[in-house]
Amino acid sequence: EDKVVQSPLSLVVHEGDTVTLNCSYEVTNFRSLLWYKQEKKAPTFLFMLTSSGIEKKSGRLSSILDKKELFSILNITATQTGDSAIYLCAVEVYGGSQGNLIFGKGTKLSVKP
Amino acid sequence: DGGITQSPKYLFRKEGQNVTLSCEQNLNHDAMYWYRQDPGQGLRLIYYSQIVNDFQKGDIAEGYSVSREKKESFPLTVTSAQKNPTAFYLCASRYRDSGGRAFFGQGTRLTVV
Repeated sequence: EDKVVQSPLSLVVHEGDTVTLNCSYEVTNFRSLLWYKQEKKAPTFLFMLTSSGIEKKSGRLSSILDKKELFSILNITATQTGDSAIYLCAVEVYGGSQGNLIFGKGTKLSVKP
Repeated sequence: DGGITQSPKYLFRKEGQNVTLSCEQNLNHDAMYWYRQDPGQGLRLIYYSQIVNDFQKGDIAEGYSVSREKKESFPLTVTSAQKNPTAFYLCASRYRDSGGRAFFGQGTRLTVV
């Protein structure tokens, strides 16, 4: 059965800290890995990763995929209170169940002033 | 503008009543999804549909029903058989074959009173 596991499930840091969120997966027919940020309502798209070792970067956020070890990390540097959110990892597969899109349980990040 | 629209944003239901949540998209996406989210948690898949007139159960389909009579629309009915329906419901859509990220609606918060 395809599965996506995120860790930690929750994390509390102070402003200015750097955090690393983890996403590991066990799936057949991997297509891509996606990261989303969810504050109050709709998750907003952050990154889509398809190739190993190529870092995607957007401001203070960056992400990288390791297809050999089957995981991805999302890094946030110099955290701000506005980074407080649930971060969701999803893996897209070819021809699988769950509509070809499997979500992890999310990491709830709280950034304290 | 293209997008995915959920309505209503807030919904109150008395115990024993069925309610229907609306989800409409004009992105020409083939696949549509319904997720349930409980406080501080990740997404759990209720139902998904990859083509018109076809849909599949997700992990927590009991007490829910859907239809997909039109490509643009994927309504979710929360029936009286759902024992704990109070939650945040998210609808999403994406291309089935070319893949890529899912787009989310703004969600419906259902409260049983």
